[in-house]
Amino acid sequence: QVQLVQSGAEVKKPGASVKVSCKVSGYTLTELSMHWVRQAPGKGLEWMGGFDPEDGETIYAQKFQGRVTMTEDTSTDTAYMELSSLRSEDTAVYYCATGKWELYYFYLDYWGQGTLVTVSS
Amino acid sequence: SSELTQDPAVSVALGQTVRITCQGDSLRSYYASWYQQKPGQAPVLVIYGKNNRPSGIPDRFSGSSSGNTASLTITGAQAEDEADYYCNSRDSSGNHGGKNVFGTGTKVTVL
Repeated sequence: QVQLVQSGAEVKKPGASVKVSCKVSGYTLTELSMHWVRQAPGKGLEWMGGFDPEDGETIYAQKFQGRVTMTEDTSTDTAYMELSSLRSEDTAVYYCATGKWELYYFYLDYWGQGTLVTVSS
Repeated sequence: SSELTQDPAVSVALGQTVRITCQGDSLRSYYASWYQQKPGQAPVLVIYGKNNRPSGIPDRFSGSSSGNTASLTITGAQAEDEADYYCNSRDSSGNHGGKNVFGTGTKVTVL
């Protein structure tokens, strides 16, 4: 059973960066494909990016390219999502989740508890 | 198109059947996965692939697909099924192993 535990809530000023962590237990990070999804207050889910095991690289939603970086520390089984140039619209709960790519479908089977990032001056 | 469209809200009487739909071009190529989200909680996977349920998900949840539409059916809805439901799919407009997209979400109310 995979467990994902995320870092605590953050408050940031516009223009700053935030780095959210996601600690894996039950499996090693190298066995998983980690993804990040966010949800603004009262809004729907938005996929930000994740690891594609077929290409061996992390792919990002076009909306976030250039502003988001997803990294992994395999020595501690911790994944990170860093979002830069923050603006008020980035206020959201950020989730890490493990993904499974299959030929005709994709799914996110295990989720972290979420990290609230508030961007406010 | 990389959009997946869902009805904003549906209601169902306790014990009755409700179908939630998700429409988008990518669904002609890929199956959807479905997620249940209750207030203040992380989403939970309920259906993936052609019609697969993760361990622990009741068999009253089922999935189907036709053309550009995927459906999640709850047969015999229970009070605890009241939640927001989101579909998700690989995005056929991306490259191989491309990107992915969530639907707009449907709020299910059990009366």
